[in-house]
Amino acid sequence: GQNIDQPTEMTATEGAIVQINCTYQTSGFNGLFWYQQHAGEAPTFLSYNVLDGLEEKGRFSSFLSRSKGYSYLLLKELQMKDSASYLCAVRDNTDKLIFGTGTRLQVFP
Amino acid sequence: DAGVIQSPRHEVTEMGQEVTLRCKPISGHDYLFWYRQTMMRGLELLIYFNNNVPIDDSGMPEDRFSAKMPNASFSTLKIQPSEPRDSAVYFCASSPPPGRSFYGYTFGSGTRLTVV
Repeated sequence: GQNIDQPTEMTATEGAIVQINCTYQTSGFNGLFWYQQHAGEAPTFLSYNVLDGLEEKGRFSSFLSRSKGYSYLLLKELQMKDSASYLCAVRDNTDKLIFGTGTRLQVFP
Repeated sequence: DAGVIQSPRHEVTEMGQEVTLRCKPISGHDYLFWYRQTMMRGLELLIYFNNNVPIDDSGMPEDRFSAKMPNASFSTLKIQPSEPRDSAVYFCASSPPPGRSFYGYTFGSGTRLTVV
């Protein structure tokens, strides 16, 4: 079966660093995506990893280990506007995107 | 580009009524996906199309749900009859072929469906 696990909720303080983990077991692997979703809005693309290692994009970085079925999203210099849900998604061997249930991050002043 | 356009944004209907959700994908995107999002189950893929042809409808919950894509610029998701447990946010998303997509999918703003 397809399974993507991530923590349900996390909290952090403005200016801090937070790491959101994602583990997956899917039918094949053709890339891993992270999306951000603010309450009442659509998911928007944050990052894409298909090879092992770290991808950095400004304050956000995403890491992938295919052998471990593991990824994380790292958010630095947290801002209040980063309060949102973060969705981990894996593209399987039929090229469908399978989503985790998301991690709701609350940033406090 | 206006992005993926969904209508209506909100729909409130009575149990037993027919509901039709609409989606216009981004021009040139060959793939169209319908997802349903709830707090308990997150984003679930219902069905997807490639070049207007349904490829995988294994996520459609039951026969009350149907989806069509009569042309490259329009798709509908229909629920008949609707039930309270169908209450959720329904997202449409589109994508170029996966080999050319490093951004995954582009999502529409969603339709929040409430069945009372």
